[in-house]
Amino acid sequence: GAVVSQHPSRVICKSGTSVKIECRSLDFQATTMFWYRQFPKKSLMLMATSNEGSKATYEQGVEKDKFLINHASLTLSTLTVTSAHPEDSSFYICSAPKAGGYTGELFFGEGSRLTVL
Amino acid sequence: AQRVTQPEKLLSVFKGAPVELKCNYSYSGSPELFWYVQYSRQRLQLLLRHISRESIKGFTADLNKGETSFHLKKPFAQEEDSAMYYCALMTTGNQFYFGTGTSLTVIP
Repeated sequence: GAVVSQHPSRVICKSGTSVKIECRSLDFQATTMFWYRQFPKKSLMLMATSNEGSKATYEQGVEKDKFLINHASLTLSTLTVTSAHPEDSSFYICSAPKAGGYTGELFFGEGSRLTVL
Repeated sequence: AQRVTQPEKLLSVFKGAPVELKCNYSYSGSPELFWYVQYSRQRLQLLLRHISRESIKGFTADLNKGETSFHLKKPFAQEEDSAMYYCALMTTGNQFYFGTGTSLTVIP
């Protein structure tokens, strides 16, 4: 199988602080990882595509300076929510396809729930 | 711009009844369509992809380019089918966009 793990699964922080969420592919290499944000009772909104060794590609309307993405290795991508505000409270999910032989199947992390007080 | 629409947020059917979850898409390129499912307390996982033309757990989905649809169907719903279903589109740039999801409840 292919496992993607996120950490932390739940985080609470004060307004104005920064929070880092990690996404790891445990048993495969992921040159690409996708970061999604899920609003209550709504869909997964693609925020950005993280590419190993290069800059992330952000979707329209997503602030690059607010949501910093780093893909430092083939198994790790991080999302840092900078100067978090209550409106950033959400469920953040990462996913990755297996590198090489792209089948189109995404493997999802368990998600990270961010609450900004 | 690409868009995936699932018109039904909630869908309830009786066990043994047929079920159809609707999905329409909008994309200027050549899309690949998928259905993902999320069972209670589990993470999202792939159910099926149009390119494979497969039947998984009794579910099938046919890509209709004329109607830009990719509806998910099963002739006889089972209780274990109760879950959240997401239709997804993969662009030629290998980015995935999801619909708003349909929560299916199968009534025993």
